[in-house]
Amino acid sequence: QKEVEQNSGPLSVPEGAIASLNCTYSDRGSQSFFWYRQYSGKSPELIMSIYSNGDKEDGRFTAQLNKASQYVSLLIRDSQPSDSATYLCAVTGTASKLTFGTGTRLQVTL
Amino acid sequence: DTAVSQTPKYLVTQMGNDKSIKCEQNLGHDTMYWYKQDSKKFLKIMFSYNNKELIINETVPNRFSPKSPDKAHLNLHINSLELGDSAVYFCASSQDYGGFTFGSGTRLTVV
Repeated sequence: QKEVEQNSGPLSVPEGAIASLNCTYSDRGSQSFFWYRQYSGKSPELIMSIYSNGDKEDGRFTAQLNKASQYVSLLIRDSQPSDSATYLCAVTGTASKLTFGTGTRLQVTL
Repeated sequence: DTAVSQTPKYLVTQMGNDKSIKCEQNLGHDTMYWYKQDSKKFLKIMFSYNNKELIINETVPNRFSPKSPDKAHLNLHINSLELGDSAVYFCASSQDYGGFTFGSGTRLTVV
């Protein structure tokens, strides 16, 4: 079992819709959870962090964490073509190691 | 001012050569990392240093040797380069359990 699992996509959503990205992790001791966005040929960019169960909202982005289910998700409201990128879920467990999922490619269509 | 800078951005070299990639961060973070992103875009940790001390050393061939002269710098030296070493190498830094800041990456191509 992979440590952090994501559906590779592509996930295609029309402009203005809500994009829902999901991630599961295997280490129950994981403490910090992040979503990174990576445009093609660029470096990963941190867009959301979440540390406790529940929802965290920042602009059009909402991160959701459920530690009991070992599940973290990212919702993007009012999706824009500029949101088209690969979204990487990342989890920090012991030793400050940040483990990434394989990423979900999001395509926002006009 | 770039927070995490790495050089060079592109590196093309022949098999068997030795090369180095340099990384510097001006964020005052205690921990620095090297990640490798392969052709399938999977980011995998290679090394982590905290205040010049090696704390993570994943299963990486010993041809790869990190060096941290101070907590703001983490360099990566690769000996006897192989075709399979071709990838994008990212340097990153973090503080405590906060998010990581990545450098712009070094695209290494071994021919």
